[in-house]
Amino acid sequence: KAGVTQTPRYLIKTRGQQVTLSCSPISGHRSVSWYQQTPGQGLQFLFEYFSETQRNKGNFPGRFSGRQFSNSRSEMNVSTLELGDSALYLCASSLKQGTLTDTQYFGPGTRLTVL
Amino acid sequence: KQEVTQIPAALSVPEGENLVLNCSFTDSAIYNLQWFRQDPGKGLTSLLLIQSSQREQTSGRLNASLDKSSGRSTLYIAASQPGDSATYLCALGGNTGKLIFGQGTTLQVKP
Repeated sequence: KAGVTQTPRYLIKTRGQQVTLSCSPISGHRSVSWYQQTPGQGLQFLFEYFSETQRNKGNFPGRFSGRQFSNSRSEMNVSTLELGDSALYLCASSLKQGTLTDTQYFGPGTRLTVL
Repeated sequence: KQEVTQIPAALSVPEGENLVLNCSFTDSAIYNLQWFRQDPGKGLTSLLLIQSSQREQTSGRLNASLDKSSGRSTLYIAASQPGDSATYLCALGGNTGKLIFGQGTTLQVKP
């Protein structure tokens, strides 16, 4: 079974631009979560989607948004990019909603660099 | 607010040594605890998941334990190999629908 895939793997943008990242979960998984990883803050939760609905949201500004499609694929969008948005963005999928019982499987990440 | 601490931040050992990585947390109201491995610039690989009702899980040379009452988990790696070199992260799952991560322990196993 294919793992979690993320596209693109690398992105370079300039301040003020917007960006869309994509995540395809493991087949059959309905929950997708997004995390931001930086050297200073470590891994921080952005949001979780289950059955096309945002179920949980982390403490990030409204410039960060996401959505999930009927096939469970998810996208996250960051508008008006800032230098501090440079990070590795990871998505994770699991079979059920939230982290109650399931292993979270992570993708390889998208490395975003904002110049 | 749940806080997760991993000590040490970095560890260097000779090949073949058995080692223990530590993870401590402040709120015992967790649903599960997961250990991950991350290679430089890569995503996270799940190693072990311990449910809150369990005390330990084993996979090959890895053994993870959980003591909720003391707010601690350990990851034991037996007979370490250079291929074990990576950053190891523990993450707690609770009722907030998100994983809360520690800062990780970077392990180097020297041949």
